[in-house]
Amino acid sequence: DAGITQSPRHKVTETGTPVTLRCHQTENHRYMYWYRQDPGHGLRLIHYSYGVKDTDKGEVSDGYSVSRSKTEDFLLTLESATSSQTSVYFCAISVKPKGRDTGELFFGEGSRLTVL
Amino acid sequence: QQPVQSPQAVILREGEDAVINCSSSKALYSVHWYRQKHGEAPVFLMILLKGGEQKGHDKISASFNEKKQQSSLYLTASQLSYSGTYFCGTEIGSGNTGKLIFGQGTTLQVKP
Repeated sequence: DAGITQSPRHKVTETGTPVTLRCHQTENHRYMYWYRQDPGHGLRLIHYSYGVKDTDKGEVSDGYSVSRSKTEDFLLTLESATSSQTSVYFCAISVKPKGRDTGELFFGEGSRLTVL
Repeated sequence: QQPVQSPQAVILREGEDAVINCSSSKALYSVHWYRQKHGEAPVFLMILLKGGEQKGHDKISASFNEKKQQSSLYLTASQLSYSGTYFCGTEIGSGNTGKLIFGQGTTLQVKP
């Protein structure tokens, strides 16, 4: 499972409240990603990180921010949650074999967020 | 920018074959395939790099035509365990980012 844990696994919150989801890895991988999954849309990239304090926006970054102050932790924050952010959020890491530019993604178990 | 998968859903009997297609409007560096069971995280199946590579994983194989910016996943002699949603993930540009843009998914149901 590449040592990825997400927390919380389930959360119910109200519109307008801030929410932070945490992704923790134990294997010191450089590349980390946050995706959201909604029916009919597949997996959509929110933000990603190439290393400590090195992050960039994905396809659907509006309303989300991220931080990576340590290699092992990648935090996703919803500053003011809205009902449209109700979704399942997956964290992923990229594991690149030596000599190859691209690697497979390992996903965490997901965090189900409901915004009322 | 999101790749398009077809068909959206497939229902098979055990032992039958299926093909899932993934098409992009962008030049691709690589194509990845993942399978997701209900309530679980996606799981990696295979990566195809540009160059017309074809790979196999048990009775599941895939091809990548970089000129057409298309990839196909072939499932032969399907088993009940093949049921799930299949996603292609495309990496554009020159690679080295690991950033994947996924298709909307193809739901495969294998019946006894």
